[in-house]
Amino acid sequence: RKEVEQDPGPFNVPEGATVAFNCTYSNSASQSFFWYRQDCRKEPKLLMSVYSSGNEDGRFTAQLNRASQYISLLIRDSKLSDSATYLCVVSLYQKVTFGTGTKLQVIP
Amino acid sequence: GAVVSQHPSRVICKSGTSVKIECRSLDFQATTMFWYRQFPKQSLMLMATSNEGSKATYEQGVEKDKFLINHASLTLSTLTVTSAHPEDSSFYICSARDSRGSYEQYFGPGTRLTVT
Repeated sequence: RKEVEQDPGPFNVPEGATVAFNCTYSNSASQSFFWYRQDCRKEPKLLMSVYSSGNEDGRFTAQLNRASQYISLLIRDSKLSDSATYLCVVSLYQKVTFGTGTKLQVIP
Repeated sequence: GAVVSQHPSRVICKSGTSVKIECRSLDFQATTMFWYRQFPKQSLMLMATSNEGSKATYEQGVEKDKFLINHASLTLSTLTVTSAHPEDSSFYICSARDSRGSYEQYFGPGTRLTVT
């Protein structure tokens, strides 16, 4: 089993739609969780950290379920500019593991 | 926000030569820097964790004698790809973690290495 697993997609959604991504991780001791966004041929950029209580930043909501070992990202009212690859990141101490990413394409 | 630079952004070299990539944290100190490699349509793969003043920790399957890492100061880490081969062609990205303890990593813009 991979340490961090994501559905690679692509997810093709119309503008204005709501889309959700899930990510599962194998190490129950993992401490910190993040969602990064990566545009084509660019470096990843932090989108948001994920907390046990769940957190929201504008149109983006992240949730963590430690019991089931998954994190999720919900994007509401999708914009064309949201088209990118979304990377799930899990860390334990110094060790940081990236998922393979989920590609989102928002269609006009 | 915190800024990390990488140099060079692109490099083309001949097989058998060595290439050095620099990673600098510009406005913060980073006791820990990370080196990743990303092949086309794949995710970032952690190669090694670079700690200032000590030896780097390499991930399984990454040859430490081929990928030399030096983290000589709190703002600079270098990755040297020795005796490069075409299969080393990839996108190399570094990241740095602020010494003040946040788990957030700040990524450099990446270096595209092409070995001919």
